[in-house]
Amino acid sequence: DAGVTQSPTHLIKTRGQQVTLRCSPKSGHDTVSWYQQALGQGPQFIFQYYEEEERQRGNFPDRFSGHQFPNYSSELNVNALLLGDSALYLCASSLALELRGYTFGSGTRLTVV
Amino acid sequence: AQRVTQPEKLLSVFKGAPVELKCNYSYSGSPELFWYVQYSRQRLQLLLRHISRESIKGFTADLNKGETSFHLKKPFAQEEDSAMYYCALSGPGGSTLGRLYFGRGTQLTVWP
Repeated sequence: DAGVTQSPTHLIKTRGQQVTLRCSPKSGHDTVSWYQQALGQGPQFIFQYYEEEERQRGNFPDRFSGHQFPNYSSELNVNALLLGDSALYLCASSLALELRGYTFGSGTRLTVV
Repeated sequence: AQRVTQPEKLLSVFKGAPVELKCNYSYSGSPELFWYVQYSRQRLQLLLRHISRESIKGFTADLNKGETSFHLKKPFAQEEDSAMYYCALSGPGGSTLGRLYFGRGTQLTVWP
């Protein structure tokens, strides 16, 4: 079991562009959460998807959107990138009935220039 | 508002010395507390959770509701304990179900 898989591992984008990050959950998990981790900070919750719907959302602007597919994989989209969006984006999967038993991916390092 | 505070950004101890990583929280209800660890070049992983009351790799943490603290302790630190440690809390239910609030982390270095 590969656990949680995220792609790409690194990404460089220009300010104003759009980006899509991808996540495949651990086998058997059906819930995906996304976190943003800025340098020197702890992860911050962006949103959570279950049954292909956004169930919870953190304090992030609408430029951040997501999607969950029938196979439970997920995408995080960020529009109109800002320099401040540069961060490590972490995907975490879990089983709905045990939402606190997160398994984290290695993350996607996004750099906005 | 929910908040997790880890007052020490860096902590260094010698091998065999006791170690305590501090964590304080603010939450209006009864939270669930966790410690996550990230070893060099590895992904974030769960170390322990307070409801399990277990000891993992010699680490223990006791939830003190009076002091709103959840400090992580180990009596004899080992070099392999060197890592970044994050304290996190989750609401027991409702709109915050499953959502984790993380502290900024404490980088522990254990010297030989």
